[in-house]
Amino acid sequence: GAGVSQSPSNKVTEKGKDVELRCDPISGHTALYWYRQSLGQGLEFLIYFQGNSAPDKSGLPSDRFSAERTGGSVSTLTIQRTQQEDSAVYLCASSLAAGVYETQYFGPGTRLLVL
Amino acid sequence: AQSVAQPEDQVNVAEGNPLTVKCTYSVSGNPYLFWYVQYPNRGLQFLLKYITGDNLVKGSYGFEAEFNKSQTSFHLKKPSALVSDSALYFCAVRDDQGNMLTFGGGTRLMVKP
Repeated sequence: GAGVSQSPSNKVTEKGKDVELRCDPISGHTALYWYRQSLGQGLEFLIYFQGNSAPDKSGLPSDRFSAERTGGSVSTLTIQRTQQEDSAVYLCASSLAAGVYETQYFGPGTRLLVL
Repeated sequence: AQSVAQPEDQVNVAEGNPLTVKCTYSVSGNPYLFWYVQYPNRGLQFLLKYITGDNLVKGSYGFEAEFNKSQTSFHLKKPSALVSDSALYFCAVRDDQGNMLTFGGGTRLMVKP
């Protein structure tokens, strides 16, 4: 079956603009995660969704970042008033369930460049 | 808080030789350990995981990893390296409470012909 897909694959934007990044998880996966990969910070957790539960937003770096997951499937990560330090690769992952032993499967990422 | 250390930024190996990529971790409670590989401009691909049971875990592409509780390590190994194994490798840990993976800084593996 299809893996996790993300769009766009690349995004160039100007400082101060808003951007939306999309993630389509593997069909049937109930848990969805967003991570950010940057040169300075490595791979860091942003936010986690599990079913209809309230998301775990503990990793979001500022209130400019938000995410939603509609219908328990597709997720959108929104960054408002982008800054140059937001430049990174944004990775989405999904897992079949939420258990600590569950494998997270990653998408190809969206490479964001803020000029 | 949990953490992962990958002490080597880069590992160089000749094709056909055994390889080891090191990982040590720190968690409170039981550790759940994962290895991922990343090829250029690609996402992370799952290699293997340790949940419980046998300390030697076998995964994709001939890779294996050994869980050592006393040394809090989970080193990735392969008996005979291939040039195509050249990539960036990440070790990650999760504990009993966390929803997310905590990653090490990554180790670049270079396999030379």
